[in-house]
Formats: sequence, C-alpha cells, structure tokens
Amino acid sequence: GAGVSQSPSNKVTEKGKDVELRCDPISGHTALYWYRQSLGQGLEFLIYFQGNSAPDKSGLPSDRFSAERTGGSVSTLTIQRTQQEDSAVYLCASSLDVGARGGYTFGSGTRLTVV
Amino acid sequence: DAKTTQPTSMDCAEGRAANLPCNHSTISGNEYVYWYRQIHSQGPQYIIHGLKNNETNEMASLIITEDRKSSTLILPHATLRDTAVYYCIVRGGSARQLTFGSGTQLTVLP
Repeated sequence: GAGVSQSPSNKVTEKGKDVELRCDPISGHTALYWYRQSLGQGLEFLIYFQGNSAPDKSGLPSDRFSAERTGGSVSTLTIQRTQQEDSAVYLCASSLDVGARGGYTFGSGTRLTVV
Repeated sequence: DAKTTQPTSMDCAEGRAANLPCNHSTISGNEYVYWYRQIHSQGPQYIIHGLKNNETNEMASLIITEDRKSSTLILPHATLRDTAVYYCIVRGGSARQLTFGSGTQLTVLP
C-alpha cells in the first residue's frame, strides 16, 4: 500500500487479557520497527525486523511482549496478560532496510487502553 | 549514538520562518542528523537528514555547522499545521533503530 497500515486503530481490553496488534509495512520495505508511546512521553523502541535476520528484541519491556513477522511482510505484536501500564500508543514503522539513509515511514498507531 | 539537546518548546508567528536548534556536540564522523516531527495523535513524520552539507527539500532546510556539533531545522514559512513536536536524532551507520528524545514542541501562532 501507499503507507504503513496498523490495525486496530483503537483497542480497549481488560487487564489480564491478551491482545494482538497488526502492522502492514510499505511493500518492498525489508525493515520493520515497533515503538510505543505512553501518554505525554517520548517514543520507546521495542523491536525491529530486518529481512530474514533474527529480530532485535532488546527493547521489549518484559516476556509478556512478543512479535513476529510472517513472510517478511506483515508483523504482529502480541501482549499477553495485559497490565494497565501497557496502555500506550503502539507505533509501527518501516524502511527500505535497516541502514537506509532515508527515513522511516510510521503508521498512525494503535491506541491500547487496558482497563 | 550521540545524544542531542533541544529546547523544550518554541513559538513562531504564522508566515515567519521557524528555526529549531539542536545541539549534538558528541557526534562522530559517520553519524547523520535526522529530523522528524509528530503532529498530535499521529505517527512521527520524516522531514530531512544530513551528514555535513546543508540540505533542503520541499518541507524544510537543514543547516549543519562546520564542526557538526549543532544544527538548525528551518521551516521557511510556518503555518498552523506545522505545530508539532520536532525531534532531532543522531544516528550512526551501524545503528539499527532511531532513538527519539523529548523533542521541541513548536507552536505556530496565528
């Protein structure tokens, strides 16, 4: 597609439930990143994927968080047993490749609210 | 990656040039300067990047000092839609992700 697409745009879930957030990157972009942004805070890096290489999971805050990228395209971020502190906007971005000199293209994000 | 320092907030009159400074005194030779902005409730948007030469595109100009320790993003004719948080980021060639700081909240006033 023309841009990075994320779904759902909003998600309200009960504490303790699992959620899945989806990201459709720009076609042909081999690098894909997940960030989150808590209310009034900056962007926090979570994980990135580059082609068929092992993902860099160094930013994942706990083992309740996981992500996968199927077929080098669509990515799913899964949060298990959600907690209230997981409430944030989850942003996905893609770029031609990890070392690309050009910028990332971000999606509009998924606003997750854990009640 | 080198750390950047930006003012917390700035105001600019509509139609005037907005000059947003960024200090990156510990930048190393292979690190690029990137600028992004984030309009309220949207994902960040890439604006421009440069290594040592000044750069211009349809959105903005980037002026990098000769010693590369600071840079200025210039929006030549600010509009109300340019109100956003502007992030200055330094990224090396081997870096795998962009690290966002706190940015500058630019408010364009009518």
